[in-house]
Amino acid sequence: EVQLVESGGGLVQPGRSLRLFCAASGFTFDDYAMHWVRQAPGKGLEWVSSISWNSGDIGYADSVKGRFTISRDNAKNSLYLQMNSLRAEDTAFYYCAKQGGSGWYNALDYWGQGTPVTVSS
Amino acid sequence: DIQMTQSPSSLSASVGDRVTITCRASQTISRYLSWYQHKPGKAPNLLIYAVSSLQSGVPSRFSGSGSGTDFTLTISSLQPEDFATYYCQQGYSALRTFGQGTKVEIK
Repeated sequence: EVQLVESGGGLVQPGRSLRLFCAASGFTFDDYAMHWVRQAPGKGLEWVSSISWNSGDIGYADSVKGRFTISRDNAKNSLYLQMNSLRAEDTAFYYCAKQGGSGWYNALDYWGQGTPVTVSS
Repeated sequence: DIQMTQSPSSLSASVGDRVTITCRASQTISRYLSWYQHKPGKAPNLLIYAVSSLQSGVPSRFSGSGSGTDFTLTISSLQPEDFATYYCQQGYSALRTFGQGTKVEIK
C-alpha cells in the first residue's frame, strides 16, 4: 500500500525557515517524480514544486521561487521542502504527492494527509 | 504559465442529479489533464487522468472528456459522498497549475 506521510509543519515567524519532510513507502520511490502542493485557508489547491526521480528536473511556482528548495533522498525514501524567508501568505496545508507512471500523463496518483504551516508573529 | 479556468466555481445539486464541471486551459495541453476530488480534512483524491481514464477504485459514475483546451468532468448520478470540491490540473508544462476549484454542495 502506497503511503506518504508529511511532517515538519508548525508555527513560524515571518522571515524564518522551516523544513518539511515526506516519508514514502509501498512503492519504488526512486522510479517516480514527486511534488509538493499546498492549500491556504479558504483557497484552492496550489502546485508548489516538483522533482524528477533523479533530481535532474526541478520546478517551482513563481510564488515560491528563490525561497523554497525541493530535494529528495532516494536511499531514505524521503522528500523534503526547505522553506526560507517565509511570509504570511505561505500559511497553508502542505501536501506531498506522487506522480503517476508514464501512462498517467503526469497526474498525481497518491497524496499524503498534509502538514500545516502557519506563518505569524 | 498555463492558466486553468474552471466553471462554475460552485453549484448546488441533489442526489441523483447529473453534474458537469468544465475546465479550460489557456493553451493546448494534449492529454495532460487530470481531475481531483478534495474533501475537508482529507487528502485530495485522483479521479481521472489523461482526460478520460478512470483511476482504479473510482466509481464509474465519474467520467472525463475533452481535447485541446476544453475539458469536462461529469458525475452521472450524484451520490451523498460526492459532495466535495473538484479541481482540474494540467501536467503539460513544468509549472503545473490547478483550476480554482468547483464546490459541489447539497441543494
